[in-house]
Amino acid sequence: AQSVTQLDSQVPVFEEAPVELRCNYSSSVSVYLFWYVQYPNQGLQLLLKYLSGSTLVKGINGFEAEFNKSQTSFHLRKPSVHISDTAEYFCAVSEGLTGGGNKLTFGTGTQLKVEL
Amino acid sequence: GAVVSQHPSRVICKSGTSVKIECRSLDFQATTMFWYRQFPKQSLMLMATSNEGSKATYEQGVEKDKFLINHASLTLSTLTVTSAHPEDSSFYICSASPTGKGELFFGEGSRLTVL
Repeated sequence: AQSVTQLDSQVPVFEEAPVELRCNYSSSVSVYLFWYVQYPNQGLQLLLKYLSGSTLVKGINGFEAEFNKSQTSFHLRKPSVHISDTAEYFCAVSEGLTGGGNKLTFGTGTQLKVEL
Repeated sequence: GAVVSQHPSRVICKSGTSVKIECRSLDFQATTMFWYRQFPKQSLMLMATSNEGSKATYEQGVEKDKFLINHASLTLSTLTVTSAHPEDSSFYICSASPTGKGELFFGEGSRLTVL
């Protein structure tokens, strides 16, 4: 069975500072990895995904993540955050990638709070 | 990107009544849709996989008689919370994927409050 661990429940950071949100996963097979952002009372928006190829993945809003197979990690980074990045961030893993969609397992989420 | 829409976004009902939440794929067809439940400040828990034209597949621990799922067309899945109780109050989110894409798109969510 697959699982996702987001060790940091909350990450406070000052505006324009860099940030890293940690994500570790466990799975017995190859996985596909995703980061989603959720603003209050809204659904989820895909930030980026790793399916194959380059281990450094760039997403929207200046975010990037690096897939590290040996460390089973997929940490999310942004070199300079903005107030508008304040939101909940979820890491998710899928062991399958079918045309009909993936059955995702989510981490517990990390609340990123950007302060002035 | 593809658009998934949920309705209603918020609903308040009395205990014992039933509530229906709709999930629509607006610009693509989806043979499979997923229903998630999210408790305050917690992660999303997959409740069930909705399959067009066949029975939904429920995750362990989810009461299929309480959470009725119907996927009658390639663009619409509905979740009906039957005989709702206050403990059913939650944020329900659906997702779907355009065939061949593999990427999930999420609805805006529906917040259910049972009084």
